[in-house]
Order: sequence, then structure tokens, then C-alpha cells
Amino acid sequence: DGGITQSPKYLFRKEGQNVTLSCEQNLNHDAMYWYRQDPGQGLRLIYYSQIVNDFQKGDIAEGYSVSREKKESFPLTVTSAQKNPTAFYLCASTRGPSLSTYEQYFGPGTRLTVT
Amino acid sequence: AQSVTQLDSQVPVFEEAPVELRCNYSSSVSVYLFWYVQYPNQGLQLLLKYLSGSTLVKGINGFEAEFNKSQTSFHLRKPSVHISDTAEYFCAVSDKTSYDKVIFGPGTSLSVIP
Repeated sequence: DGGITQSPKYLFRKEGQNVTLSCEQNLNHDAMYWYRQDPGQGLRLIYYSQIVNDFQKGDIAEGYSVSREKKESFPLTVTSAQKNPTAFYLCASTRGPSLSTYEQYFGPGTRLTVT
Repeated sequence: AQSVTQLDSQVPVFEEAPVELRCNYSSSVSVYLFWYVQYPNQGLQLLLKYLSGSTLVKGINGFEAEFNKSQTSFHLRKPSVHISDTAEYFCAVSDKTSYDKVIFGPGTSLSVIP
């Protein structure tokens, strides 16, 4: 079955450590996104990529970094510069280059806890 | 700038009763509208979407929504809810005229009471 996989489902880190969240899709989608979800705040866009080797900052990119070396993969690194990294992180993809036209397909999410 | 308001953060409803989850948006341009559902500790799944055409949109699991341009609303309805409908529901909007981002509302938690 085609879909988006995120690993691991739960991740625990000590404050001051960088951590990388994995996102892989086999849907042959062009665009991929990372969202952060906090209780009562909906989803906030961190980064998105419309094509390989290109990505744009979203609304809350500070303290995060991404890469898009392959169409199928869009890993997110949460750096020590992120002030409040504990959250639920969701990866998504869409068929076309435009967010505005197509529905988004979501992965199951990674819950990151930093202590 | 676009924004999405979901007026009710929590909606309790008895099983087999009807439910309406409200969504209002603000935008200066034409938009696409979406409703997503999220079950606990899972990703989001598309329920339905309005791109153009008929303002009454039918989705999965018996849900439907009506686009009202004059009231800038896109309320979600189901005539008879089931226990399995207990979840978080998100309304979302995106701009037709640019490669802009999808804006999600804060979500409504639907609890179906047996």
C-alpha cells in the first residue's frame, strides 16, 4: 500500500541535543511538508518542499532544518536552538507542486519529548 | 492573510444524534476548503473538500459540508453519529490564486456519548 511513513512513533531526547525525524513517501508525490501540532493550536507549518533540492520556510521554521535530496524523503532536524521542541510532528505530501490545489496526505506522526 | 475559526473547541453529542461542527474563514481571495479528521495519536485523514461547483459536498463516513460564500462558512454535518466518530476535526483553507500555504483551524474535539 502506498503511503507516508514516519519513524519513530515516539522519540525522547535530552535538552541540547539535535534530533532528526524521518519521513518517507512512496506515493510519487512532488511536494512534502512538515507540521508541528500542539494542543488547541491546530497545525503550524515548519517547512515545505515542492521539488527535490528545494525547500521553503513555513511559519515557524526557527530552530528546525530540512533536506530534500530524494523525492521520497524529507527528514526534519530539530536543533538545540528550538526553544520548545516537545510536540507532535506530522509529515504530509501532495501530488502537485501547488499546496493550493490538492489535498494533503499525512503520515502517522512522531511524538517528540525533550527533557 | 487568511484565517480559520472553529467556534467550538469541544462538542459532546449522544450516539445517533445529529451534529454540526462550525467553521468560518476569512480571505480576500477565492479559496479551497477542506475538513480533516484525526483519531488519537494518528495523522490527519481527508473527510471532504470543496474546490468548485456544488456548494454541498459529501465526504466519507456519512459526513457532508456546505460552502456558504456570503457567510464565509464551511460547516460540517452528520445526521447520525456513531461512537467511532469520536475524534478531532480540523477545517482548513488554501488560497486558489497563489502557491500559498494551507491554514488549519484550531480543531474541534467531537465526543460521542453512548
